[in-house]
Amino acid sequence: DAGVIQSPRHEVTEMGQEVTLRCKPISGHDYLFWYRQTMMRGLELLIYFNNNVPIDDSGMPEDRFSAKMPNASFSTLKIQPSEPRDSAVYFCASSSWDRVGQPQHFGDGTRLSIL
Amino acid sequence: KQEVTQIPAALSVPEGENLVLNCSFTDSAIYNLQWFRQDPGKGLTSLLLIQSSQREQTSGRLNASLDKSSGRSTLYIAASQPGDSATYLCAVGFYTNAGKSTFGDGTTLTVKP
Repeated sequence: DAGVIQSPRHEVTEMGQEVTLRCKPISGHDYLFWYRQTMMRGLELLIYFNNNVPIDDSGMPEDRFSAKMPNASFSTLKIQPSEPRDSAVYFCASSSWDRVGQPQHFGDGTRLSIL
Repeated sequence: KQEVTQIPAALSVPEGENLVLNCSFTDSAIYNLQWFRQDPGKGLTSLLLIQSSQREQTSGRLNASLDKSSGRSTLYIAASQPGDSATYLCAVGFYTNAGKSTFGDGTTLTVKP
């Protein structure tokens, strides 16, 4: 089992540029989550998908943020245009559901710095 | 509103001591509770998951308990080691938001040699 795979691991870009973060969930998992973590705000859930369908995007901070899951093995989180306050570590996680819930598995994260 | 609270925010103990980390939640209608460990600059690693029908789970020196009626979970670490130093987060799955988990802010543990 390869685990949740995120890319890139680090991203440094200038304000105003488009940023795309990528995630490959664990095969067979039907839930996928995008989180953002900062010192000030801790771990925040941005959006999550079930069977490739967005269920709750209330955590997405602004219209500049968008997420897609075109198939069960791939998801993207896009920021356009990026701003310095978007600098954070972005995590992707996946899990499966069987009435009692199974563990969430996290990727190693993407450390994003917007200059 | 469903909230998850972890107190204290930070804890420092000498090596070898047994310790307890606390997690409290405001809604007893939960389907599971998960404890994670996060090392600086790293992702979250799942330690233990307790399903709502269970009272505790054990893995090595770790023991997690769950009391839904009082809205509490504890993570017990026996014979602490410097390598246990990390931030520990609990995440609660509430039935009203089935599928996702609500995270506490974590307790940062330092075990001094």
